Amino acid sequence: GAGVSQSPSNKVTEKGKDVELRCDPISGHTALYWYRQSLGQGLEFLIYFQGNSAPDKSGLPSDRFSAERTGGSVSTLTIQRTQQEDSAVYLCASSLNTQMNTEAFFGQGTRLTVV
Amino acid sequence: DQQVKQNSPSLSVQEGRISILNCDYTNSMFDYFLWYKKYPAEGPTFLISISSIKDKNEDGRFTVFLNKSAKHLSLHIVPSQPGDSAVYFCAASNSGGSNYKLTFGKGTLLTVNP
Repeated sequence: GAGVSQSPSNKVTEKGKDVELRCDPISGHTALYWYRQSLGQGLEFLIYFQGNSAPDKSGLPSDRFSAERTGGSVSTLTIQRTQQEDSAVYLCASSLNTQMNTEAFFGQGTRLTVV
Repeated sequence: DQQVKQNSPSLSVQEGRISILNCDYTNSMFDYFLWYKKYPAEGPTFLISISSIKDKNEDGRFTVFLNKSAKHLSLHIVPSQPGDSAVYFCAASNSGGSNYKLTFGKGTLLTVNP
């Protein structure tokens, strides 16, 4: 597609369940980022993938969060045993290289609500 | 500990007037700053950036000013248009470290009234 695509756009889940969020980056973009925005907060860095390098997972808030990027393209963010504080908009972005500026494009986000 | 602060949650201006959005930061290692614009139900889009070696960067109706000594930057939109109504996020990074890792403010909702 022309832009970064995320699915689902909305997800409501029960506390304690696992969820998977998907990101399809722009074709050819080697860098992929996950951010999240909790209510009333700014965007918070979660994880960064660049080519075949080891991802920077330093922003993941707990070991319930994990992410992978298969074949250098599609990425999935998995949250296990969801908690209410995980409710947020999860945003994915991709760029041609490591410059998180003009070259980075965000998807529309997945709004996760944990009830 | 908020390293990037946007102290005004909202701002309302008349069409044709100047909009000034402010941002303060506390981390002296930040040396690259960006503004993003976000419409409802869409992802943020890059607007304009500035490196710490400059104090001003202009792109059409948008100008960003950086005051390093005060750790303050501002985004000026002149003239403001109703289509500029959106949430504006200020973001900062340290190009000497993990330059892909942006620290964002909480955003300012700009409303431009016709």
